[in-house]
Parts: sequence; C-alpha cells; structure tokens
Amino acid sequence: AQSVTQLDSQVPVFEEAPVELRCNYSSSVSVYLFWYVQYPNQGLQLLLKYLSGSTLVKGINGFEAEFNKSQTSFHLRKPSVHISDTAEYFCAVSEISQGAQKLVFGQGTRLTINP
Amino acid sequence: ETGVTQTPRHLVMGMTNKKSLKCEQHLGHNAMYWYKQSAKKPLELMFVYNFKEQTENNSVPSRFSPECPNSSHLFLHLHTLQPEDSALYLCASSFQREKSYNEQFFGPGTRLTVL
Repeated sequence: AQSVTQLDSQVPVFEEAPVELRCNYSSSVSVYLFWYVQYPNQGLQLLLKYLSGSTLVKGINGFEAEFNKSQTSFHLRKPSVHISDTAEYFCAVSEISQGAQKLVFGQGTRLTINP
Repeated sequence: ETGVTQTPRHLVMGMTNKKSLKCEQHLGHNAMYWYKQSAKKPLELMFVYNFKEQTENNSVPSRFSPECPNSSHLFLHLHTLQPEDSALYLCASSFQREKSYNEQFFGPGTRLTVL
C-alpha cells in the first residue's frame, strides 16, 4: 500500500516570503499525486495534480509543485505568500485498493503566514 | 446547487441520540466517500461506495452506518456515539475510471460534537 509523508506538521512564514511544503511518497510503478488545501472551517479544495508529462505542475493561487521520481517527492512551492494562504495543506497519492481507486493522504502541514 | 453539499454543517448530539449526516453531489460522479477528520490526526477514510456498492469499510465501529441509495446521495447514520467521535466529517465524490486517477471533490463537512 502507498504511504505519504509530509515532513513538517507546521510551517510559519512571513508575508511575501517564499515557502516550500515537503511531501514524499512510497514508490510505485505509476503514480498520480495531488495537493489539497483546507481553509478554516471548510472542506478540502484541489490545488494541483500531477498525472503525467511535465514534472513541474502549476496550480491555483500561484502554487506549483515538482514531481521528482528519483527522490519520490512532490514538494509544493510558492514564491511569495499572502496572509490568505494561511491554511492546512494535504499531499495525496492515488492508489488502487480492493479494485477501486482511492486517495492516500499525508498528515497535513499547517501553513501560518505572519505579517 | 453545484459540487458536493453536506447537511447539517454543525450538529451537537448526546450519546443516546440517533442522527444522520447527508451528502449530495451534483457532479455526475459514481463514487462517494466518508472521511473523519479529528484534531491533530490524519484524515481517516471511513467508507467508500463505488457504483452504490460499499467497497471499503476501514474497521469503523458499528455505531456508524453508511447508506448510499443512489450515486448522488450518501448518508451516515449515527447512534450511541462517544465523545471521542466528535470531529469534522467530510464527504467526497469522484468519477471512477479503470486505470485512471482518482481526483476527489470534497464537501464543506459537518462539525459533529458529541456530549
């Protein structure tokens, strides 16, 4: 079974600074990867996804992620963060279990933006 | 209504009560999911319904009983819950395709408090 590790449970950053949220997954022949964001008191919203092709994936709100097969990583980055980016971020990998596709989530990283 | 909706958004119940959570998706998806999100714990997949058939039950206590009458509706029936069942319950849906990825769309969640 797949597993996803988000190395940082909390990341504090100053406004307009760059940020990187780290994600590593267990290796697989083929893998589909996702980043979701959860704002306070809301459900999860898809930020971006890697299915195939270019290893640099661009998402909403200025976020991007790079798929690195050799390091089994899918780190999320943003060059300049805003107060509104304060949220919890989840990395996920798609796998087949009992004949059905399902997502396996990491533990989440809480991003806090300080003014 | 668009996307995935959940009702109620907030629920407070006693340990002897019986209540139900409702989820509805308007995306034409064929798979639906219940997740439990507790404070400081990873997202826990509870149940998966694929084409209205339950395909996964991750050792969830019998006081949680899911029901999927059609591909657009999903219920979670609750009875004799414990205080530790207090959490955010998230519903999600996706379109399952063979040999393809699983992008899930989430509802806003029901915040459940068990007294």
